[in-house]
Amino acid sequence: KAGVTQTPRYLIKTRGQQVTLSCSPISGHRSVSWYQQTPGQGLQFLFEYFSETQRNKGNFPGRFSGRQFSNSRSEMNVSTLELGDSALYLCASSLHGGNQPQHFGDGTRLSIL
Amino acid sequence: AQSVTQLDSHVSVSEGTPVLLRCNYSSSYSPSLFWYVQHPNKGLQLLLKYTSAATLVKGINGFEAEFKKSETSFHLTKPSAHMSDAAEYFCVVSEDDMRFGAGTRLTVKP
Repeated sequence: KAGVTQTPRYLIKTRGQQVTLSCSPISGHRSVSWYQQTPGQGLQFLFEYFSETQRNKGNFPGRFSGRQFSNSRSEMNVSTLELGDSALYLCASSLHGGNQPQHFGDGTRLSIL
Repeated sequence: AQSVTQLDSHVSVSEGTPVLLRCNYSSSYSPSLFWYVQHPNKGLQLLLKYTSAATLVKGINGFEAEFKKSETSFHLTKPSAHMSDAAEYFCVVSEDDMRFGAGTRLTVKP
């Protein structure tokens, strides 16, 4: 069974631009969660999608948004990029979310110049 | 609301010696608890999970953790460290969503 796939692996953008990251969950998994990982703040929860609906949301500004498609694939969008958005963005999937173990992708490393 | 505290930001051991990574949690009711490992430039991999069955949980790669409700702890141990165990380890508590600890960096000296 293929694992969680995130694309692209690396991305370089400049301030003010926007970016879209993609996540393909494990086949059959309907819950997809996104996290931001930085050296200073650690792992922070962005949001969770289940069956195309946002079910939980972390404490991030509205510049961070996401969506989930009918095949459970998910995208995350960040608009008006800031230097502080430089981070490793991790996607994780599970069958139903909640307190089930999550399976993580290798992440997209976003660098803002 | 749930929270988790990893008591050591960095632990250094010699190869072949025991590993102890400490984690305390706070939860309104019986939580689910997890340990994940992250190697450089990789995502997180599940080591083990506790979901109110046996209090001693065995995971992959020889790791295990003991749930102690009276101490609100879920420490991760391994009898003998291997060089390949060097990584970042995260303790996680979950009620409605998952809350990650700040992580413990494990260094293994030859």
